[in-house]
Amino acid sequence: AQSVTQLDSHVSVSEGTPVLLRCNYSSSYSPSLFWYVQHPNKGLQLLLKYTSAATLVKGINGFEAEFKKSETSFHLTKPSAHMSDAAEYFCVVSDQAEGYNQGGKLIFGQGTELSVKP
Amino acid sequence: DTGVSQDPRHKITKRGQNVTFRCDPISEHNRLYWYRQTLGQGPEFLTYFQNEAQLEKSRLLSDRFSAERPKGSFSTLEIQRTEQGDSAMYLCASSLETSGEQFFGPGTRLTVL
Repeated sequence: AQSVTQLDSHVSVSEGTPVLLRCNYSSSYSPSLFWYVQHPNKGLQLLLKYTSAATLVKGINGFEAEFKKSETSFHLTKPSAHMSDAAEYFCVVSDQAEGYNQGGKLIFGQGTELSVKP
Repeated sequence: DTGVSQDPRHKITKRGQNVTFRCDPISEHNRLYWYRQTLGQGPEFLTYFQNEAQLEKSRLLSDRFSAERPKGSFSTLEIQRTEQGDSAMYLCASSLETSGEQFFGPGTRLTVL
């Protein structure tokens, strides 16, 4: 069964400093992994996705994530935080993988709340 | 592309009442998913449709919950005899069968008094 664990429930950074949000996954096959962001009172927005192509995935708003199979990790990073990055971030694994005709439901982590101080 | 829409955005009801939510997916998407999100948690899968067929239901979906997608377009989620534990944000998402990327609607926040 697929699962994700977000290692920090809350991360606080200063504006202009790097962001690191940590995620470990468990999957019985090569996973499809995502990061979603949820701003207060707004819908979930896809930041980036990994689907067995390049291990370094670039997303929107300067975010990127690196898939490390040996560490079963998919950490999200950004070189310089902006105030507008303050939100809840979810690491997500799909039960759909290449070659597997499954439903594709998403399994979410518990979320990491990112605070950005001025 | 107008995105995924959900109606209503907020619903307050009394315990024991029935409620129904609607989701309109992105028009060319043949898959539609329902999730539930409680405060401080990540969304949890409830059920999904491929076209009009309901192909999977979570154990979270008790007998009081029913979902339909009669024409393979919009979907409804009904909760009968609501309980306070049903209070949550109900999220709808849609995708193409060939893509793992799901697009989410704004959600319906249900409060059961």
